[in-house]
Amino acid sequence: KQEVTQIPAALSVPEGENLVLNCSFTDSAIYNLQWFRQDPGKGLTSLLLIQSSQREQTSGRLNASLDKSSGRSTLYIAASQPGDSATYLCAVEYGNKLVFGAGTILRVKS
Amino acid sequence: GAGVSQSPRYKVAKRGQDVALRCDPISGHVSLFWYQQALGQGPEFLTYFQNEAQLDKSGLPSDRFFAERPEGSVSTLKIQRTQQEDSAVYLCASSPREYSYEQYFGPGTRLTVT
Repeated sequence: KQEVTQIPAALSVPEGENLVLNCSFTDSAIYNLQWFRQDPGKGLTSLLLIQSSQREQTSGRLNASLDKSSGRSTLYIAASQPGDSATYLCAVEYGNKLVFGAGTILRVKS
Repeated sequence: GAGVSQSPRYKVAKRGQDVALRCDPISGHVSLFWYQQALGQGPEFLTYFQNEAQLDKSGLPSDRFFAERPEGSVSTLKIQRTQQEDSAVYLCASSPREYSYEQYFGPGTRLTVT
């Protein structure tokens, strides 16, 4: 069964701290991996997409890496801000569907 | 430009009632997906349409769940004889491509079954 696990489930950090969110997946036959942000009552916003042939992607203060062989991805957030507070979801594409982890709830305190 | 829209945003149904949830994808998008997100969990895949064809319905939890996209644009997810375990946020996503790459998500419909 294709499963995606995210650690930690929740994280609370002071503003300015660098942090790492972890994602692991059981089936390495992936098409790509995406990191999403979800704010309460809203849909998902795509942050970064890493294709299966890539190792990492960067956007501003965000950097995501992918290691297919070990079934892992990390999302690195530099210099965190209160506006980064949200739930972060990792999703792995297998053909015609995305399989999501349960998410990491991030709170950045000012 | 308009994104994916869903209606209603909130729905309260009594156990046993039928409900219909609507999704308006981004104009011209080929693919449409439905997901179910229970409280504290990530979204779980329900079904996938390519134009009007339902190519994958492997995630539908029971035969009480039915989805359609008759003209390859708007889609409706119908749940018959709702049960309390159906309470969740139902998310719709569309993609300009013929697979799940580059999905754009709507805000979801929160269904509460009492």
